[in-house]
Amino acid sequence: EAGVAQSPRYKIIEKRQSVAFWCNPISGHATLYWYQQILGQGPKLLIQFQNNGVVDDSQLPKDRFSAERLKGVDSTLKIQPAKLEDSAVYLCASSLMGASGSTSDTQYFGPGTRLTVL
Amino acid sequence: AQSVTQPDIHITVSEGASLELRCNYSYGATPYLFWYVQSPGQGLQLLLKYFSGDTLVQGIKGFEAEFKRSQSSFNLRKPSVHWSDAAEYFCAVVASGGSYIPTFGRGTSLIVHP
Repeated sequence: EAGVAQSPRYKIIEKRQSVAFWCNPISGHATLYWYQQILGQGPKLLIQFQNNGVVDDSQLPKDRFSAERLKGVDSTLKIQPAKLEDSAVYLCASSLMGASGSTSDTQYFGPGTRLTVL
Repeated sequence: AQSVTQPDIHITVSEGASLELRCNYSYGATPYLFWYVQSPGQGLQLLLKYFSGDTLVQGIKGFEAEFKRSQSSFNLRKPSVHWSDAAEYFCAVVASGGSYIPTFGRGTSLIVHP
């Protein structure tokens, strides 16, 4: 079974530029998550999709971050314009359902995209 | 809202020694609890999870964790550490009601000496 795919693996940009990350979840997984992991910290959830609908985006800085999951499969996360504090690893994860209490709640993580903003 | 505390930023053990990584949570009811491992340049891999039932949970790679409600803890243990266990370990909690929004601890870095 193929895992969660992410690209690019690394990206270096200058502040105020824009950047986009792509994620392809495990086939059949309805729920997709984007996390931001700043160096020395645990992952912080940015946005959660169930199929192509947003379940939670309360921690997404909507003035500069946007995400979409068209057709309920792969997803893109965009930052425009980037700030220095956006330097982090951006992790994508997927799970079969994501419904609370389901034993299918296990999240499978991709390798992440390491973003450096100069 | 729930929160997770991993009090140890770094833990150093010798290969073959036992290991215990601490995790404390704050939540009004019994949460869902998880331990993940992250090797350098890799995503997170689930080691084990607790939803309900037996409070001693067995996971992959010889790890286990025990849920102690009275102490609000979910410590990760391994009887004999291998050099390949060197990695970052994250505890996570999910509220057992409502939307499935996980909260992660800051992580504990495990260093294994030969």
